[in-house]
Amino acid sequence: DVKVTQSSRYLVKRTGEKVFLECVQDMDHENMFWYRQDPGLGLRLIYFSYDVKMKEKGDIPEGYSVSREKKERFSLILESASTNQTSMYLCASSFAGEETQYFGPGTRLLVL
Amino acid sequence: QKEVEQDPGPLSVPEGAIVSLNCTYSNSAFQYFMWYRQYSRKGPELLMYTYSSGNKEDGRFTAQVDKSSKYISLFIRDSQPSDSATYLCAMCSNSGYALNFGKGTSLLVTP
Repeated sequence: DVKVTQSSRYLVKRTGEKVFLECVQDMDHENMFWYRQDPGLGLRLIYFSYDVKMKEKGDIPEGYSVSREKKERFSLILESASTNQTSMYLCASSFAGEETQYFGPGTRLLVL
Repeated sequence: QKEVEQDPGPLSVPEGAIVSLNCTYSNSAFQYFMWYRQYSRKGPELLMYTYSSGNKEDGRFTAQVDKSSKYISLFIRDSQPSDSATYLCAMCSNSGYALNFGKGTSLLVTP
């Protein structure tokens, strides 16, 4: 079974704080993705990575950065958290050349 | 026009009913189609995967793709309360690329 884990299920941060969201997958997947999910807006892609140290911007990269130093780990960084970044953050992974993505349980982030 | 359109519902049906969930899309290059199920406060889980046009059946679930109409469907037979969730359609044009998601349809199956 594919397992994608995320470091926190719930997180509360203050405006201006630097926030790290961690994602780890155990299936040796090449591709990893970060999405945010908001009511009425659905899933929106923030960043994705095809390989270690590789990253590509998604639809809404502003205010975010990512890091992929190891194949199994993909981090999402909010450099200076703002209230409009309150959301559900979902990590996903897939094999190169395969369409199906496997999701983690999500992190609910509240920025006060 | 958004590339993938999906009615958000909510859709409420009695237990045992046949459920039909649908998505339309505008990009004719899409050829890989998926349905994900997402329970409240959980991550989406892959339910069905279809390549190009046609039908695929898995137990009580049937996925249907009509590329000529740019329309995909998910049918759930003999619906159960445990089917209550949000159903997301997703599609893409190339292998391994980022998916295009619908906004999800919320389904409630009442006992």
